[in-house]
Amino acid sequence: DAKTTQPPSMDCAEGRAANLPCNHSTISGNEYVYWYRQIHSQGPQYIIHGLKNNETNEMASLIITEDRKSSTLILPHATLRDTAVYYCIVRSGNQGGKLIFGQGTELSVKP
Amino acid sequence: GAGVSQSPRYKVAKRGQDVALRCDPISGHVSLFWYQQALGQGPEFLTYFQNEAQLDKSGLPSDRFFAERPEGSVSTLKIQRTQQEDSAVYLCASSLVPRVSNQPQHFGDGTRLSIL
Repeated sequence: DAKTTQPPSMDCAEGRAANLPCNHSTISGNEYVYWYRQIHSQGPQYIIHGLKNNETNEMASLIITEDRKSSTLILPHATLRDTAVYYCIVRSGNQGGKLIFGQGTELSVKP
Repeated sequence: GAGVSQSPRYKVAKRGQDVALRCDPISGHVSLFWYQQALGQGPEFLTYFQNEAQLDKSGLPSDRFFAERPEGSVSTLKIQRTQQEDSAVYLCASSLVPRVSNQPQHFGDGTRLSIL
């Protein structure tokens, strides 16, 4: 499975967009990019995933570069409740598709 | 609908005791995963079930760790002769369809295990 690189921490002002980058330069053609977040004392929460095209749901938008070597998760209007560790994961279908978590980005949304 | 449920939420045991952790996946989900999360780290894969079959146990750290899912729904992770290094949060996740990488896994809130 491809490895991902994320900044260890980021700050964002409440109400502003939070843009979280992820590098995955060794991604293969059939591997999806997944984003999860983990709020203290809770399990990881699924946010969004994509293969090639940009994706949007009620939580966030995912922008994947044309060469698929990097992506950005966008929280359009960050709130204090979005403070969490955000994990970018590249996932294949092998062996049921286990998730390999890195260290993630600790996002702090400040008032 | 109901999500993944794990019990107990917290477990304290003395070193050397056996513990059993339970996971109730989302109804109808075929795939079930166990992960271990040490303090300050991301979750690490332990084992994977497709229905009742344990297809991957490559992440189990020792033969003291044993998982089962006898009827293809509820799963139990058992740790025998617990050691202090077993202290961690144990997370369970389930997904609807096996071997399909565009199906998200949904996690429970975990069991926090503390070994004294």
